[in-house]
Amino acid sequence: DGGITQSPKYLFRKEGQNVTLSCEQNLNHDAMYWYRQDPGQGLRLIYYSQIVNDFQKGDIAEGYSVSREKKESFPLTVTSAQKNPTAFYLCASSIKDPNSPLHFGNGTRLTVT
Amino acid sequence: DAKTTQPTSMDCAEGRAANLPCNHSTISGNEYVYWYRQIHSQGPQYIIHGLKNNETNEMASLIITEDRKSSTLILPHATLRDTAVYYCIVSPGSGGYNKLIFGAGTRLAVHP
Repeated sequence: DGGITQSPKYLFRKEGQNVTLSCEQNLNHDAMYWYRQDPGQGLRLIYYSQIVNDFQKGDIAEGYSVSREKKESFPLTVTSAQKNPTAFYLCASSIKDPNSPLHFGNGTRLTVT
Repeated sequence: DAKTTQPTSMDCAEGRAANLPCNHSTISGNEYVYWYRQIHSQGPQYIIHGLKNNETNEMASLIITEDRKSSTLILPHATLRDTAVYYCIVSPGSGGYNKLIFGAGTRLAVHP
């Protein structure tokens, strides 16, 4: 089945360490997105990418970095500069159409202590 | 982007229709209305979207008022598995991507 795979589902890190969250899709979608969700809140956009080797900052990009070397992969690195990294991280993808719906993965819950 | 207003929570009896309202009074002519839902600890699931006409698919119906300032998502026969947070979003899309802004949504509880 086509879909978006995020791994791992749960991730634990010590403060001061960088951590990379994986997102892979086999939907042949051009656009990919990373969102962050805090408890009881909506989703906030971190980064998005329309095409390989190109990406743009979303509303809360500080402390995060991404790469898009392959169409199917869009990894997110949470750096030590991110002040409150503990959150639920969601990856999504869509076809290259501004009115197409987003397809989401099932998220990675990151806990930093 | 237009903002939306949704009730914080709603209840519905199993088997009955669930009608979830959304106000988007500042919506502009090129903005679509999207509905997603999120079951606890999972990624949001796309339900339906529309521009001005009412839409129906296998999951739900979307009713948009003539002035487009509000809409209603209808789940015709709610089941316990429909218990989730429902998000109403308006977005014009831009270029080759669709930058959706999610608010806090409506927490729908379906009870037996």
